[in-house]
Amino acid sequence: QKEVEQNSGPLSVPEGAIASLNCTYSDRGSQSFFWYRQYSGKSPELIMSIYSNGDKEDGRFTAQLNKASQYVSLLIRDSQPSDSATYLCAGTGRMDSSYKLIFGSGTRLLVRP
Amino acid sequence: DGGITQSPKYLFRKEGQNVTLSCEQNLNHDAMYWYRQDPGQGLRLIYYSQIVNDFQKGDIAEGYSVSREKKESFPLTVTSAQKNPTAFYLCASSKGQASSGANVLTFGAGSRLTVL
Repeated sequence: QKEVEQNSGPLSVPEGAIASLNCTYSDRGSQSFFWYRQYSGKSPELIMSIYSNGDKEDGRFTAQLNKASQYVSLLIRDSQPSDSATYLCAGTGRMDSSYKLIFGSGTRLLVRP
Repeated sequence: DGGITQSPKYLFRKEGQNVTLSCEQNLNHDAMYWYRQDPGQGLRLIYYSQIVNDFQKGDIAEGYSVSREKKESFPLTVTSAQKNPTAFYLCASSKGQASSGANVLTFGAGSRLTVL
């Protein structure tokens, strides 16, 4: 069973700090990875996507991918209380003749004012 | 505005009843998906469809059925055979296969089903 693993948290950081969210995956064939943010009772929204080894930055967010270690991370700089949410990591996995996204169970982030 | 509309937002079902959740998209996306989310859990794939009149089972298809008669619509029926249907159901779509950054998932607002 192909899996994506995340620490459920909660990860608690003070306002203005860097929040580091981590994810590991089991399928070496996974090519694309995504971070979704989900507020309580709401649907997930895409934060970042990453496909190549290294870092990808978008505003306060940086995604990091290490395919050799099968590890994906999301850094949130200058964390704000509005960043408090559950962050879902997802990677592509082959299913029959197509692909699907495999989601982790999410890490809950709490940013303290 | 383009997007995905799910209805109803909240639904209550008595044991033994079938219920149908609606999902409509006006994004002109080819692929559509149904996911189930339980508290503290990630998303699990129920069914997906790449083209009209074709769909495939996901990881937890037992007790569910779908149809894809139109590109815009992908309704999910939760049948009485689904023994633990209380969950948050999410419909999503993508332009093509969810295998590249160009084909990220767009989610609807979700439907919360509770069995009484």
